Formats: sequence, structure tokens, C-alpha cells
Amino acid sequence: DAKTTQPTSMDCAEGRAANLPCNHSTISGNEYVYWYRQIHSQGPQYIIHGLKNNETNEMASLIITEDRKSSTLILPHATLRDTAVYYCIVRVYNQGGKLIFGQGTELSVKP
Amino acid sequence: GAGVSQSPSNKVTEKGKDVELRCDPISGHTALYWYRQSLGQGLEFLIYFQGNSAPDKSGLPSDRFSAERTGGSVSTLTIQRTQQEDSAVYLCASILPQGPGANVLTFGAGSRLTVL
Repeated sequence: DAKTTQPTSMDCAEGRAANLPCNHSTISGNEYVYWYRQIHSQGPQYIIHGLKNNETNEMASLIITEDRKSSTLILPHATLRDTAVYYCIVRVYNQGGKLIFGQGTELSVKP
Repeated sequence: GAGVSQSPSNKVTEKGKDVELRCDPISGHTALYWYRQSLGQGLEFLIYFQGNSAPDKSGLPSDRFSAERTGGSVSTLTIQRTQQEDSAVYLCASILPQGPGANVLTFGAGSRLTVL
């Protein structure tokens, strides 16, 4: 079973910030939070990852709560091309092993 | 290569036939994953390779499914006696578990299998 839970779907207005939540209440101390997205008919694409500090890159920001039991992916200015399924997973850094994806959040960005 | 390459991109077969799906991971990526995605569903884990060995094949749905990896590189997923419920997109991903540039899973575009 996936170690994360996410809302099934969300809507966002074009140009506004999209805030996608993820719960990972059983996360271990050595597990990182990763976000991927899958645009229709394509393979999933890496977005961002983090351990406990907030992270930002050219695509998004990741906010992880102090207790690390939840996180939020922020797309600061959503565009129509950000419409996709967003997956949050947890993974031990520098280690292999099975990776389980949950059902993800289907984000619809509307004009 | 620059990315994860999968072939064929599309495969239509008749029920009962065997199919082989190929994955060519990013050069140097020691770990490789196969996932299956049925229409409208999430990613279902099938098998994980570290080098040429498969420490976790718990997601293979039946003994009709098998996979191998040779030379720590190319992997082949074989489905014998295909059934209509095998119709799905089969996704391959590779990752460098440790070191510079590591820890990011890179997916291929997938192989879409349709069993008639």
C-alpha cells in the first residue's frame, strides 16, 4: 500500500497558485518526500523532493510540516499545461527498493 | 542514452499470444522498475531490479508475467498467453540510487498494450 494519501481531484484557476496537499503520517526519519506529475498519455515527470526543509526549484515549491507528517506542493502561477495527475511518494534516500505510487491528485487548471 | 527508452510504443496482439516489452534505461542507472497503468488508474508496481537481480517481484500479477535484466542495462518484460485484462500502458523507470545526480526516478514514455 502507498504510504501517502492525497485528495482525488482539485481545481485551480489559471494564473493562481495551486496548493496540492499530501499526508504521510507514517514517514520514517530517513524518508524523503518526492513529487511527480503525469500529463495525459505521458510517463510521470519528476518535480521536486525534500527531507524537512522547504524546497524551491523552477517548477514548484515544497512545504513540509515540522513534524513531517504532511507536505504541500505549490505551483505558484498555474497554467493550463499544469493540468495533470500529481503523485506524492516517500522514499529512503540513497537506497533502492520498491516504490509505491498512490492514486494521486488530478489537478484541473481552468481558464 | 539521454532518457529511458521503451519499445514498442504500441502493441496490439490477440488473446493467447506472448508479448515482449523492452526497456533501455539511462546509462549507469543501476536500479530499474516496471509499472503497469490500466485506463484511468494509477501506477501499479510490478517488479524492481537492482543490477541484474530482482529483489522485489511482488507486483507481478500472475506467473504469466516475467522480467529479466541483462548486463545491468536492458530489461525485458514478457507476458505469456495474454489476456484482455493485460491491456494497459507498461511503464519503465530507472534511477541511480546513490551518488551525484542520484535519487530521481526517470520514466520512459511507456508501451501501450492492447489485447484483442
